Amino acid sequence: NAGVTQTPKFQVLKTGQSMTLQCAQDMNHNSMYWYRQDPGMGLRLIYYSASEGTTDKGEVPNGYNVSRLNKREFSLRLESAAPSQTSVYFCASCRQGADTEAFFGQGTRLTVV
Amino acid sequence: QKEVEQNSGPLSVPEGAIASLNCTYSDRVSQSFFWYRQYSGKSPELIMSIYSNGDKEDGRFTAQLNKASQYVSLLIRDSQPSDSATYLCAVTRAFTGTYKYIFGTGTRLKVLA
Repeated sequence: NAGVTQTPKFQVLKTGQSMTLQCAQDMNHNSMYWYRQDPGMGLRLIYYSASEGTTDKGEVPNGYNVSRLNKREFSLRLESAAPSQTSVYFCASCRQGADTEAFFGQGTRLTVV
Repeated sequence: QKEVEQNSGPLSVPEGAIASLNCTYSDRVSQSFFWYRQYSGKSPELIMSIYSNGDKEDGRFTAQLNKASQYVSLLIRDSQPSDSATYLCAVTRAFTGTYKYIFGTGTRLKVLA
């Protein structure tokens, strides 16, 4: 039972490069989320997807795009990486409903130099 | 004002003592409340959820919710060094077809042996 799987676990980018962070869940969850975590800032929501084919902006969407490819997969793309995007990125998923647990992937540690 | 506020700590308690972690939230329509534990370099994992006013106990953990005061707390009895981690408070509220998880910045707990 894999749960939520993120790839890659670590990545170093040069300023201006692009990359896509991949996330897949095998729990048949409807909702998926991308967060970034910076020291002292907690988890901040970048984008979320209520269901396949829908995405919405969260608290800090600038510089990112997302794709909900199907029910299992939700990817996060950095088109032109900036040092301010150095962070740890977490993907999460849950069943729809206010009382459901969010399950997290293991995180991607991204450094932009 | 942040939507979910926590004292960043660190909160230091001796082994065997009770650790008390607090969280306030600003949006009265928040529906469900969660405590996640995050060890350094790891992803958050759910330890407690609470949906109605009062106390909820699970082993050494007790969550307390007071919706009138918009206050959630987590008590850890008989604290162990293995409880040393960052504790994230989260609330959910309905938003555009799903529920958004809003996280606090976390409280770092140190249990001293």
